Amino acid sequence: QQQVKQSPQSLIVQKGGISIINCAYENTAFDYFPWYQQFPGKGPALLIAIRPDVSEKKEGRFTISFNKSAKQFSLHIMDSQPGDSATYFCAASISQAGTALIFGKGTTLSVSS
Amino acid sequence: NAGVTQTPKFQVLKTGQSMTLQCAQDMNHNSMYWYRQDPGMGLRLIYYSASEGTTDKGEVPNGYNVSRLNKREFSLRLESAAPSQTSVYFCASTPDRTYNSPLHFGNGTRLTVT
Repeated sequence: QQQVKQSPQSLIVQKGGISIINCAYENTAFDYFPWYQQFPGKGPALLIAIRPDVSEKKEGRFTISFNKSAKQFSLHIMDSQPGDSATYFCAASISQAGTALIFGKGTTLSVSS
Repeated sequence: NAGVTQTPKFQVLKTGQSMTLQCAQDMNHNSMYWYRQDPGMGLRLIYYSASEGTTDKGEVPNGYNVSRLNKREFSLRLESAAPSQTSVYFCASTPDRTYNSPLHFGNGTRLTVT
């Protein structure tokens, strides 16, 4: 059973546009939701993270929106740039139990100039 | 700052051969992890070590063994490689397992089993 479902699998956005990637989770015990960014040939790196006691977190052009009742969270990239072209992974974990992160399957974003 | 170092970067094995993937971190982190990344499958946890001296199975442990050699090093061994183990393997570490400890990944080992 896939615990974290991510969509879309791939996304093409024009420069300056908004990129939106969605994730849904099953386990209501999850309480930590990070997004990781991965460039070709590199390991993933933490981009931004949220806990369920807030509905939104913004860092620069990147925003996480969180809907606890729907068990969904999304990443919004405003003013998308070619340098944002990468693979994005959502993830979830149960922080109190110290469990390892469960990752979504990833979204490959291409920003065309 | 080296961070998490994985060796080798690339490896080709024949079915049935064995090999060990090496991982070392210089950040004094307690917890270390091995993930595999396959197209369309995301990152799947193979094994992890919450602290020196402990190891636990993740989502896809079959066909693998691990050793937490010391606080810095966490190795992944394939005893008898199979084509299904063709993948990119990532090692990662965190200071501890609390929620605000981001995973620090190495740059991966690309393994092909023929």
